[in-house]
Amino acid sequence: GESVGLHLPTLSVQEGDNSIINCAYSNSASDYFIWYKQESGKGPQFIIDIRSNMDKRQGQRVTVLLNKTVKHLSLQIAATQPGDSAVYFCAEIPFSGYSTLTFGKGTMLLVSP
Amino acid sequence: GEEVAQTPKHLVRGEGQKAKLYCAPIKGHSYVFWYQQVLKNEFKFLISFQNENVFDETGMPKERFSAKCLPNSPCSLEIQATKLEDSAVYFCASSPDKNTEAFFGQGTRLTVV
Repeated sequence: GESVGLHLPTLSVQEGDNSIINCAYSNSASDYFIWYKQESGKGPQFIIDIRSNMDKRQGQRVTVLLNKTVKHLSLQIAATQPGDSAVYFCAEIPFSGYSTLTFGKGTMLLVSP
Repeated sequence: GEEVAQTPKHLVRGEGQKAKLYCAPIKGHSYVFWYQQVLKNEFKFLISFQNENVFDETGMPKERFSAKCLPNSPCSLEIQATKLEDSAVYFCASSPDKNTEAFFGQGTRLTVV
């Protein structure tokens, strides 16, 4: 079946570096995308979202880029901090009106002080 | 409430026993979702509700799993005759509408021994 997946299982960076986490999706009809952060022992926490009519959205220290041509989503974290260490998941809603989020595999981000 | 509340936090069951998990969605949210996460890997969708009605149950192993969302009661996910492979963290999420962010609870860790 169609799925959302991540390229890199683990990303190690130094504090202060910029981090980029990538995600490929296979359903070109996907309408809505979310990045979640999951810390150990906790539930996923919303970071940022983007709809298919946009290609970039910025939050505080985070930017999500959507490339519909190649079905690619990325999360950029500026000035990464040790508190950013977590597993990051991208998720999509496959098509408009269908509310179920489909998650990709996670990427673990490790930030060294 | 302002957050999704899941109980219990931990649950240990012997193989073949019943397990029942509870979820109180955020007040005013119409949609409730249940996901299963094994070993911090990707989230497997189980079932969703729109108010008390099943919205999507395509991920539900129907032989042993059942779920309800009744008015004025927490939602529940019940597993009859648990198996070792049911060991996982079960997350509940709620959202106010379709195609919007889902807010997750902290999960219930089910261990089947």
